[in-house]
Amino acid sequence: DSGVTQTPKHLITATGQRVTLRCSPRSGDLSVYWYQQSLDQGLQFLIHYYNGEERAKGNILERFSAQQFPDLHSELNLSSLELGDSALYFCASSPATGTGYRRGYTFGSGTRLTVV
Amino acid sequence: AQTVTQSQPEMSVQEAETVTLSCTYDTSESDYYLFWYKQPPSRQMILVIRQEAYKQQNATENRFSVNFQKAAKSFSLKISDSQLGDAAMYFCAYRSAMKTSGSRLTFGEGTQLTVNP
Repeated sequence: DSGVTQTPKHLITATGQRVTLRCSPRSGDLSVYWYQQSLDQGLQFLIHYYNGEERAKGNILERFSAQQFPDLHSELNLSSLELGDSALYFCASSPATGTGYRRGYTFGSGTRLTVV
Repeated sequence: AQTVTQSQPEMSVQEAETVTLSCTYDTSESDYYLFWYKQPPSRQMILVIRQEAYKQQNATENRFSVNFQKAAKSFSLKISDSQLGDAAMYFCAYRSAMKTSGSRLTFGEGTQLTVNP
């Protein structure tokens, strides 16, 4: 157990639907990062939240949104789903500074989304 | 913006042999961190090794070591005595040290390593 919890692990849904992916960061980590990994592809950065505030956006579609709550858990909302949204969605957390920051991310195990 | 390039989409090695995976990056920053992550078929992301740019000494973790050439912006991973369990996708990643609220990891495209028995 890495300390970062992602739910659900697997999700199958139909085109046009909306889903919510959830991430609980490692205890004490204020930053949460979301990435998308399509089949046999690299990791595409979606969005970064720090202590409840959006800090950076990457290649995130307008149909996607995210937020980080006061208890620091984060949710990634994907709407009007298309077949091409099928991917593995990773959440990762990190301290913002100090020794933990230098260690990089702690990754969750990912949510595998299949759009049919 | 920083970029990370892995020019070898696929590599293979014989069990017990040594293999080197290449990574180059582009940045104008002087202080940063570099990482190698491993992604086995389970798709879990596993940190293999990390390097702090201000440290000249190359990092080593058991059978894994890096060759960090700051001036050349090169960060290669050497796997010695390769084992079947080393078979995975390997990602090189860059992280700035400059942001007060943290900054993201920028990943390369990955190198798929096959270990032949």
